[in-house]
Amino acid sequence: GNSVTQMEGPVTLSEEAFLTINCTYTATGYPSLFWYVQYPGEGLQLLLKATKADDKGSNKGFEATYRKETTSFHLEKGSVQVSDSAVYFCALGGGTSYGKLTFGQGTILTVHP
Amino acid sequence: GAVVSQHPSRVICKSGTSVKIECRSLDFQATTMFWYRQFPKKSLMLMATSNEGSKATYEQGVEKDKFLINHASLTLSTLTVTSAHPEDSSFYICSARDNSQGAINGYTFGSGTRLTVV
Repeated sequence: GNSVTQMEGPVTLSEEAFLTINCTYTATGYPSLFWYVQYPGEGLQLLLKATKADDKGSNKGFEATYRKETTSFHLEKGSVQVSDSAVYFCALGGGTSYGKLTFGQGTILTVHP
Repeated sequence: GAVVSQHPSRVICKSGTSVKIECRSLDFQATTMFWYRQFPKKSLMLMATSNEGSKATYEQGVEKDKFLINHASLTLSTLTVTSAHPEDSSFYICSARDNSQGAINGYTFGSGTRLTVV
């Protein structure tokens, strides 16, 4: 079945540091890949997505590239801000699991001034 | 953009009572909605897929008689936690898929409901 594995957190960075959160997946078919962000006490917001191999999703300075050869979708940001502190979830959907999202375990990011 | 409204955001109930959580798509139609449960510092676990006009599809290990799902219209799905117990305390999140967007773009999440059973 489908699965998503994220790097374990928590991740603690200083403001303006470079961020990488690793995500790898296993899936059947050709899934779409997503990064969601969850702020404390809130639901999930879509951060970015990629629908096919070599696609790059980007939003708010974050980006991730759909790498089929390494089955990865690592999240990166060149300069993080305190307001980026949240939980980040990698997810896959579509393919043969049409309609369902499979989530990674989430990575807590804390950015200090 | 697509908005999903989930209500209530927080609820505290006594053990043995039932609690209903609503999930509404405000500006789009959603044939399919999803209910997730999130444990503290854990990922989201899909509980069930709610299909308008038909029975929900439950994931393995989820008690359908415990977690009743009704999807009576294209904009509303409800999750009722029946005879709630403290172990049902959790964060429940719904997601709706915009019929016009398809699976690739259409996942919009509600803001979640924090259920505490005392």
